Amino acid sequence: DGGITQSPKYLFRKEGQNVTLSCEQNLNHDAMYWYRQDPGQGLRLIYYSQIVNDFQKGDIAEGYSVSREKKESFPLTVTSAQKNPTAFYLCASSIPQGEGSGNTIYFGEGSWLTVV
Amino acid sequence: AQSVTQLDSHVSVSEGTPVLLRCNYSSSYSPSLFWYVQHPNKGLQLLLKYTSAATLVKGINGFEAEFKKSETSFHLTKPSAHMSDAAEYFCVVSDRRIILTGGGNKLTFGTGTQLKVEL
Repeated sequence: DGGITQSPKYLFRKEGQNVTLSCEQNLNHDAMYWYRQDPGQGLRLIYYSQIVNDFQKGDIAEGYSVSREKKESFPLTVTSAQKNPTAFYLCASSIPQGEGSGNTIYFGEGSWLTVV
Repeated sequence: AQSVTQLDSHVSVSEGTPVLLRCNYSSSYSPSLFWYVQHPNKGLQLLLKYTSAATLVKGINGFEAEFKKSETSFHLTKPSAHMSDAAEYFCVVSDRRIILTGGGNKLTFGTGTQLKVEL
């Protein structure tokens, strides 16, 4: 079945470490996104990519980095510069803007990152 | 600029009674509007979306929402709640002008409404 796979589901990070969250999709979507979700808050956009080898900062990009070397993959690295990384991270994808989807975004199951 | 306000952070209903989750939006252009549902420790699942066609939108699991431009609202309803409906619900707005001018598929999420369904 087509979908978005995030791994790992749970990840623990020590102070000063970089960690990478994986996101793979087989929906043939050009656009991919990373969101952060904190308890009691909506989702906030970290980075998005509309096409391979291109990505843009979202609203809270500081302390994060991404790459988009393949259409199917959009990994997120949480660097040591991110001072409060404990959160639920959601990867998403959509077909390109301008096409007839109503710009629906499809989400993965999420990854929990905890600083220990 | 676009924004979305979910008027209730928590809603509690009895099983079999109607559900109403309220959402108001602000958008400087013609918006697309969505409702997503999230079960604990899961991703978001699309319930329904409005994209300038019929103002009454029917979604999955018996949910529907009505786009009211004059009231800038997009409330989510269901005639009869089921225990499995207990989850968090997010109202989302997307300003299509941002999309058309190259700003990407930028969504603005409400802060969510936690729906509790009691026996």
